[in-house]
Amino acid sequence: SAVISQKPSRDICQRGTSLTIQCQVDSQVTMMFWYRQQPGQSLTLIATANQGSEATYESGFVIDKFPISRPNLTFSTLTVSNMSPEDSSIYLCSAGQGGPYEQYFGPGTRLTVT
Amino acid sequence: DAKTTQPPSMDCAEGRAANLPCNHSTISGNEYVYWYRQIHSQGPQYIIHGLKNNETNEMASLIITEDRKSSTLILPHATLRDTAVYYCIVRVWGAGGGADGLTFGKGTHLIIQP
Repeated sequence: SAVISQKPSRDICQRGTSLTIQCQVDSQVTMMFWYRQQPGQSLTLIATANQGSEATYESGFVIDKFPISRPNLTFSTLTVSNMSPEDSSIYLCSAGQGGPYEQYFGPGTRLTVT
Repeated sequence: DAKTTQPPSMDCAEGRAANLPCNHSTISGNEYVYWYRQIHSQGPQYIIHGLKNNETNEMASLIITEDRKSSTLILPHATLRDTAVYYCIVRVWGAGGGADGLTFGKGTHLIIQP
């Protein structure tokens, strides 16, 4: 299994600003992903964080709004840019070895935009 | 990935077995069935997964029907800490698959009653 930590755990930000969320895994993993969970909703995949190359974004999510970095096999960041109140959500990082294997999730970052 | 159908909510008495059904009638031969749960204010937790055979681990048992069109997650002795939203996810792995994140439905809100 993998233990995943995220920073910050929560933040309150002003409209128009940006926030970078960090995800750290305690072991090297093949795959890392970012999800969003809007209030009262299920999780939605934002993108796959690819090591050494541009992230792969799901429909409805774009790099200008959610730039992602993955400099190595244990770390990734997600930036929420030019925030609006609609970006208020929980953002979760997950990681795994790919293939038929399970994915593990971080505790999430609760973002409130005012 | 195949679509899944789960009841929106279920109750179970503490100490009894909790049986959570999932319908995945359009599942294809190379798709696995995964179960995750999300306890309030936490990230999703992996429970178990399987392809065609029944599986058991320290948390739960997974029973997959012979035609693979449905499955049941069994928590053998439910406790109050098992109250959570349980997600059944079908995910392809194999040629052309295995690199994608998970697609979460609405899940089943399991409430364990004292």
